[in-house]
Amino acid sequence: EPEVTQTPSHQVTQMGQEVILRCVPISNHLYFYWYRQILGQKVEFLVSFYNNEISEKSEIFDDQFSVERPDGSNFTLKIRSTKLEDSAMYFCASSEGQGAGGYTFGSGTRLTVV
Amino acid sequence: DQQVKQNSPSLSVQEGRISILNCDYTNSMFDYFLWYKKYPAEGPTFLISISSIKDKNEDGRFTVFLNKSAKHLSLHIVPSQPGDSAVYFCAAKASGTYKYIFGTGTRLKVLA
Repeated sequence: EPEVTQTPSHQVTQMGQEVILRCVPISNHLYFYWYRQILGQKVEFLVSFYNNEISEKSEIFDDQFSVERPDGSNFTLKIRSTKLEDSAMYFCASSEGQGAGGYTFGSGTRLTVV
Repeated sequence: DQQVKQNSPSLSVQEGRISILNCDYTNSMFDYFLWYKKYPAEGPTFLISISSIKDKNEDGRFTVFLNKSAKHLSLHIVPSQPGDSAVYFCAAKASGTYKYIFGTGTRLKVLA
């Protein structure tokens, strides 16, 4: 079964450092997403990406965040200057369409900011 | 943001019986709904979806019911199996947006 692949599975970084989280979505999917889950809290939407541009973003997704699809297969989330409160599980997801069909999520990257 | 609520943090059910997981929402603009299952250290796994033009959708042991007037949906698992033990999330979105709003999850434990 096709999978969304995320690397690394766990990243530890110093506060203030830049991190890049990487994702390989399912190859025929056109819509890409990042969500995050802070420990003990809900899964929260960060951003959606379609046709090489951001289609929607949440209030969490401020100027320190950016996304990119640098080639035909990878989809990255960059956090420019990490804060302690950025520590969370970050999930990448992809979907064929925008509608009622579910996303396929990756298994997540656990980001720990120290 | 309490637009999607799962009021039961946990549920225990005997193997073979029915599991019923509930979800309430407040935003009447929501018209697509999903259920996900999540195991520890894994990403959410899509289970089943429903759009607001339907009131029921069935896939094998999983059935989702939508009551639009009550702004309530439920997931029925029949029969429940020990492998179903996981955290179940409902999620909802409005048409024209890309963003799903997730509930806080219900931890289901199926006892052998």
